[in-house]
Amino acid sequence: GEDVEQSLFLSVREGDSSVINCTYTDSSSTYLYWYKQEPGAGLQLLTYIFSNMDMKQDQRLTVLLNKKDKHLSLRIADTQTGDSAIYFCAETPQGTASKLTFGTGTRLQVTL
Amino acid sequence: NAGVTQTPKFQVLKTGQSMTLQCAQDMNHNSMYWYRQDPGMGLRLIYYSASEGTTDKGEVPNGYNVSRLNKREFSLRLESAAPSQTSVYFCASSEGWGRGNPYEQYFGPGTRLTVT
Repeated sequence: GEDVEQSLFLSVREGDSSVINCTYTDSSSTYLYWYKQEPGAGLQLLTYIFSNMDMKQDQRLTVLLNKKDKHLSLRIADTQTGDSAIYFCAETPQGTASKLTFGTGTRLQVTL
Repeated sequence: NAGVTQTPKFQVLKTGQSMTLQCAQDMNHNSMYWYRQDPGMGLRLIYYSASEGTTDKGEVPNGYNVSRLNKREFSLRLESAAPSQTSVYFCASSEGWGRGNPYEQYFGPGTRLTVT
């Protein structure tokens, strides 16, 4: 089946850029997503990218997709303490754009 | 708008007991989902309802049943709880079920269930 992997933890200083990485195995993925989970809360969609794109920018967020290597990354510019959360990447296989397969999540810690 | 609400927030069950987790959304969404989140793992889809009147199995449906009571409400039932069902359960909803469109899923705050 599909597999989505992420590193477990990332620590950055406030004001620096954060880069969270994700690898996936399903080459038929149509959409790839980044979700944010704050403590005690549900997941919130941050952004998504269609598989025929290689980059998407949305304010402080930049998503890069390397389809050949099945690698997705999320860059957060000027990271703030409010960005501390768990970040999940997710993908949907071809034909079912609502059936999400999630990665294990990366906990981002922002220090002063 | 409350969005997606779940009850209860916390629950402790003994092995073999049954319970129903409730979920409601006030966004007039057509599709609803139940996920479980376990430590060190991403969310896994238990069941989903693409539209009112339909339900389908997800990745990990064993030990669970669901009911789409109406367009607003989607409940998850554990008939005979087992320790392996200790988890955080999330309900989500989306405007539609996309074959080509990535409908955003909106998540509730979760129910933390412990089975002893």
